Amino acid sequence: EPEVTQTPSHQVTQMGQEVILRCVPISNHLYFYWYRQILGQKVEFLVSFYNNEISEKSEIFDDQFSVERPDGSNFTLKIRSTKLEDSAMYFCASIGVLGMPQHFGDGTRLSIL
Amino acid sequence: AQRVTQPEKLLSVFKGAPVELKCNYSYSGSPELFWYVQYSRQRLQLLLRHISRESIKGFTADLNKGETSFHLKKPFAQEEDSAMYYCALGRGSTLGRLYFGRGTQLTVWP
Repeated sequence: EPEVTQTPSHQVTQMGQEVILRCVPISNHLYFYWYRQILGQKVEFLVSFYNNEISEKSEIFDDQFSVERPDGSNFTLKIRSTKLEDSAMYFCASIGVLGMPQHFGDGTRLSIL
Repeated sequence: AQRVTQPEKLLSVFKGAPVELKCNYSYSGSPELFWYVQYSRQRLQLLLRHISRESIKGFTADLNKGETSFHLKKPFAQEEDSAMYYCALGRGSTLGRLYFGRGTQLTVWP
């Protein structure tokens, strides 16, 4: 069964640095999402992306964050000037056919020092 | 505002016992409800969605619009059911964002 792939599995970065989290959605999927889960808290929606543009974003997704689909296969989340509170598990998800549920990747654990 | 409540953070049962993981939601429109399961820090996997009305791994969940609930049930729990279970709400379209509950950690003792 095809899977959503995320790299790296764990990223450790100094506060203030920029990070790029990468996702390869399932190949025929058209709608892409990023969620995050701070340790011990619920999974929170960050952003959805369709047709090369953001379709919805949450209040968490401020100017520090950006998303891109640079090459038709990767879907990236960039976090600029990282803060300690950005430490979390970041999940990518995608869907293809209208009406089907979201498929999630394994997540990237981001640790800001 | 949309909200999903899973009142139990932890739930423990013995093998063979019935289990019910509670989920209540708040949404004024027509909801789509899902249960996702996460085994031992693996990816979130879809377990059930309310519109399919099927049983997966012996689990069932019925949407009760009157009580705004979507409780997950299994008559006889197995040790391999031990995992984190998340209830999630979609706003009538699976194209949109999901709202997650905080999750219930189920432990099934031998």
